[in-house]
Amino acid sequence: QSVLTQPPSASGTPGQRVTISCSGSSSNIGSNYVYWYQQLPGTAPKLLLYRNNQRPSGVPDRISGSKSGTAASLAISGLRSGDEADYYCAAWDESLNNVVFGGGTKLTVL
Amino acid sequence: QVHLVESGGGVVQAGRSLRLSCAASGFTFSNSGMHWVRQAPGKGLEWVAVISYDGSTNKFYSDSVKGRFTISRDNSKNTLYLEMNSLRPEDSALYYCVKDEGALVDGLDVWGQGTTVTVYS
Repeated sequence: QSVLTQPPSASGTPGQRVTISCSGSSSNIGSNYVYWYQQLPGTAPKLLLYRNNQRPSGVPDRISGSKSGTAASLAISGLRSGDEADYYCAAWDESLNNVVFGGGTKLTVL
Repeated sequence: QVHLVESGGGVVQAGRSLRLSCAASGFTFSNSGMHWVRQAPGKGLEWVAVISYDGSTNKFYSDSVKGRFTISRDNSKNTLYLEMNSLRPEDSALYYCVKDEGALVDGLDVWGQGTTVTVYS
């Protein structure tokens, strides 16, 4: 079981908006930044969002993030087939002195 | 452009040792915390260890590897290491070297392509 909780799957049709949740606790999401990663099939993870809602250069503005208390979410609007991937959230956990990951969410574009 | 290249993976019998290396370029290596993260086939990401920018201030490990794995770095060679001892079949995974955006742990930003470790019993 992962310390951060994500739904195992999510889906949407092209053009739709989907959100992926990430639930934690006061020792991780509640007190530290959340990071999101996209892993396309057969490739290494890539940073999608840092410090809760900041986009690295090259990430389009249809990708957004938010955090409230001990939960965070990733939103993808204008869904495209190229968005099919696994998505992971992560945060530093002050009690464990570990980086903790969510179990990952597999996004399917129908 | 930040570039991380892992090496040293292989097939090894349980109980033996292996040392992974990660050659870094394109950024000031000595300013960044560095991590190892692994991913077993078909599974999610599992954080393994982190080392502070200077190699001496802080090192942290996951419980699953504590006491068996040692993270280290050579800032003069821009290289990160992971010494893995007493390997177990459950250590089999793709091991990624990952740069932190801060001096220890602010957040993982750039990932290498990984090196594969297979441990057989």
